Amino acid sequence: AQKVTQAQTEISVVEKEDVTLDCVYETRDTTYYLFWYKQPPSGELVFLIRRNSFDEQNEISGRYSWNFQKSTSSFNFTITASQVVDSAVYFCALSEGGSEKLVFGKGTKLTVNP
Amino acid sequence: GAVVSQHPSWVICKSGTSVKIECRSLDFQATTMFWYRQFPKQSLMLMATSNEGSKATYEQGVEKDKFLINHASLTLSTLTVTSAHPEDSSFYICSASRDRDKQYFGPGTRLTVT
Repeated sequence: AQKVTQAQTEISVVEKEDVTLDCVYETRDTTYYLFWYKQPPSGELVFLIRRNSFDEQNEISGRYSWNFQKSTSSFNFTITASQVVDSAVYFCALSEGGSEKLVFGKGTKLTVNP
Repeated sequence: GAVVSQHPSWVICKSGTSVKIECRSLDFQATTMFWYRQFPKQSLMLMATSNEGSKATYEQGVEKDKFLINHASLTLSTLTVTSAHPEDSSFYICSASRDRDKQYFGPGTRLTVT
């Protein structure tokens, strides 16, 4: 069965600090996709990244970076030099091989204080 | 591109009445649409998957007679909450995918049943 664990329920940082959001997943499939979504207070989910199980390269997009490690079944997300606008709930999600179904973690609420 | 809209954005209805929520892909044809439910401060739970012209596939524990899903065209899916009760109050989010691409999420509909 597939499962996504985001152990950090809430994180609070001061602006310009770096912050890492953890995501650990479980799946029996060898082919799967991992996602990160941002949900600001408005409620609409914003897609951040999709990564397939065969691509372990880390990715950087501006202040965002992702570290995918199959050995530890983790797909962590780091925000560098955080800003107040980064305040949101961040969800990690997983879909297995031939399915489009997304299984979401419980989310991590990030608060960036000025 | 890949914009998904939902209507209404919020609705208040009386217990026992039915309410319909629309989900539209505005600039693409969605092969599949998904309906999620999110309770306050909780994760998204998949309710059902719908493909145009066929019956929706409901997740375990979701009452198909209570949550009627119609996917009439490649750009429109509707969720009708029948005989709503206060416990149905929640944030309902739809998403749409094209060609098994990532899911694009709508802004959500907040339902309050009084």
